[in-house]
Amino acid sequence: AQSVTQLGSHVSVSEGALVLLRCNYSSSVPPYLFWYVQYPNQGLQLLLKYTSAATLVKGINGFEAEFKKSETSFHLTKPSAHMSDAAEYFCAVNSNSGYALNFGKGTSLLVTP
Amino acid sequence: DTEVTQTPKHLVMGMTNKKSLKCEQHMGHRAMYWYKQKAKKPPELMFVYSYEKLSINESVPSRFSPECPNSSLLNLHLHALQPEDSALYLCASTVGEGFTDTQYFGPGTRLTVL
Repeated sequence: AQSVTQLGSHVSVSEGALVLLRCNYSSSVPPYLFWYVQYPNQGLQLLLKYTSAATLVKGINGFEAEFKKSETSFHLTKPSAHMSDAAEYFCAVNSNSGYALNFGKGTSLLVTP
Repeated sequence: DTEVTQTPKHLVMGMTNKKSLKCEQHMGHRAMYWYKQKAKKPPELMFVYSYEKLSINESVPSRFSPECPNSSLLNLHLHALQPEDSALYLCASTVGEGFTDTQYFGPGTRLTVL
């Protein structure tokens, strides 16, 4: 079964610093990978998704992620953190059924002034 | 318009009450989902409706009863819930059944069971 592991349940960065949130996947078939963001008391919003068209995926709000098959990784990055980036971030992979997503445990991003 | 709406935003109910959660989308999506999310945890899939038919039921207790009256509307009927059912209930939709389809989430209903 496809699964993802997010390394680091909490990440703290200074405003303006690089954001790096880690996600590794486990899949017996080519995966489709997603990054979602959840702000407090809100639903999940798609940041970006990998569907095998290109290994470097650009998303909203300046985020991007690179699919690396050799490392089974799909890490999320942003060159310069803003205070408004503070949120919970979930990496996800499609399940065998196709409908459902298998989510990682989430990484809480804290941005300090 | 990529919006999924959910009502109510908050709900407090006793263990003997019957209540319903409502989810609506007007994007023409043909698959709709219910998720349960506990604090500081990822969403857990409960049900999937595809073309108005129940496709997936992730062994959810019968005190949760989903209903899909039409392709735009998804309900979750609640009866005899337990305090441990308190959570954020999220609705989502996708265009179809594709592996690459983006799931669009609603803002959720915060449920508290007393």
